[in-house]
Amino acid sequence: GDSVTQMEGPVTLSEEAFLTINCTYTATGYPSLFWYVQYPGEGLQLLLKATKADDKGSNKGFEATYRKETTSFHLEKGSVQVSDSAVYFCALRAQGAQKLVFGQGTRLTINP
Amino acid sequence: KAGVTQTPRYLIKTRGQQVTLSCSPISGHRSVSWYQQTPGQGLQFLFEYFSETQRNKGNFPGRFSGRQFSNSRSEMNVSTLELGDSALYLCASSLGNGGAEETQYFGPGTRLLVL
Repeated sequence: GDSVTQMEGPVTLSEEAFLTINCTYTATGYPSLFWYVQYPGEGLQLLLKATKADDKGSNKGFEATYRKETTSFHLEKGSVQVSDSAVYFCALRAQGAQKLVFGQGTRLTINP
Repeated sequence: KAGVTQTPRYLIKTRGQQVTLSCSPISGHRSVSWYQQTPGQGLQFLFEYFSETQRNKGNFPGRFSGRQFSNSRSEMNVSTLELGDSALYLCASSLGNGGAEETQYFGPGTRLLVL
């Protein structure tokens, strides 16, 4: 079945550091890929998405590129801020499907 | 445009009771999906409703059920609560057309504690 694997957390960085959170997936066809972020006590917020190979999703300084050849969708940010501290989820939605399949989440803490 | 709303935000129940959670989707969205989030199992899909019909179902026991009304609002019900049902229940709405750009937007969740 479809699955998403994220890098193990937690991840702790200093402010202004470079961030990468790895995400790989297993799915047939061409799924749509998403990154969601969850702040303490809240639901999930869509961070960015990509719907076809080589698409780059971007938002609030975060970027991720849909790599079909490596089945990856790694999240990157050039300079993180304390306010980026949250749990980040990579997810896929198979072609024609409604269900989102999530990775296990990566807890990110940014220290000032 | 108002986002997805869920009520109540917090619930405390005891084993054996039942509970009903409510979700109001974004205006114009016809699909509502429900997910359960726990520390051990992560985010798991419960079911999806579209035009008042359950269109997809996850791997949960029959104690978990739902429905959708003509205004696209949805409810989920859990009967005979067990301790393991303690979780954050998230509702997400989307247009429901299944296209590549289809995106689910989540509500703040209902946190259920079963004692």
